[in-house]
Amino acid sequence: NAGVTQTPKFQVLKTGQSMTLQCAQDMNHEYMSWYRQDPGMGLRLIHYSVGAGITDQGEVPNGYNVSRSTTEDFPLRLLSAAPSQTSVYFCASRGGGGTNIQYFGAGTRLSVL
Amino acid sequence: GQQLNQSPQSMFIQEGEDVSMNCTSSSIFNTWLWYKQDPGEGPVLLIALYKAGELTSNGRLTAQFGITRKDSFLNISASIPSDVGIYFCAGQNNFNKFYFGSGTKLNVKP
Repeated sequence: NAGVTQTPKFQVLKTGQSMTLQCAQDMNHEYMSWYRQDPGMGLRLIHYSVGAGITDQGEVPNGYNVSRSTTEDFPLRLLSAAPSQTSVYFCASRGGGGTNIQYFGAGTRLSVL
Repeated sequence: GQQLNQSPQSMFIQEGEDVSMNCTSSSIFNTWLWYKQDPGEGPVLLIALYKAGELTSNGRLTAQFGITRKDSFLNISASIPSDVGIYFCAGQNNFNKFYFGSGTKLNVKP
């Protein structure tokens, strides 16, 4: 029972590099989201998706792109990493039909030098 | 965006003591959720609240959805060392978006 799987767990980038954070869920959930967690600020929504082919912006979308070509996968792309994107990133998923319970991955710790 | 004010920011308590933490919002939420996060892990759901006034328990944890729909509290009774972690509240609004509090870091001394 994998749930929500995020890779990598840790990543160090140089300013200007690009990378993709992977997220996969095996629960056939419609909704998937990406959050970043910074000290003293809780979790802030970056982008979310209500189903395959549909994505929308959250609170802090600048500098990030997403796509949802399948129900299972929801990758987060940093096109040109900046030090301000140093953070812990969490992917979450939940089912539809009024379910409010989100399941979180273990997180990706990203440092941008 | 919507703001959730969670307090206290941190707590240092003795094993066996009761703990209380709360969240307030400037806006109404349809659902309140309480999560716990252990170091190096993602948040794990503890309690979900769906109706104003609802009081729900999960073992030693009790949470309430405020009547005004703008606040919620979480109580932990008879704390134990494994209660250590960061507790987050979250609210879901009419647009199905979730907003999180900044967390309460709980330390329990054996």
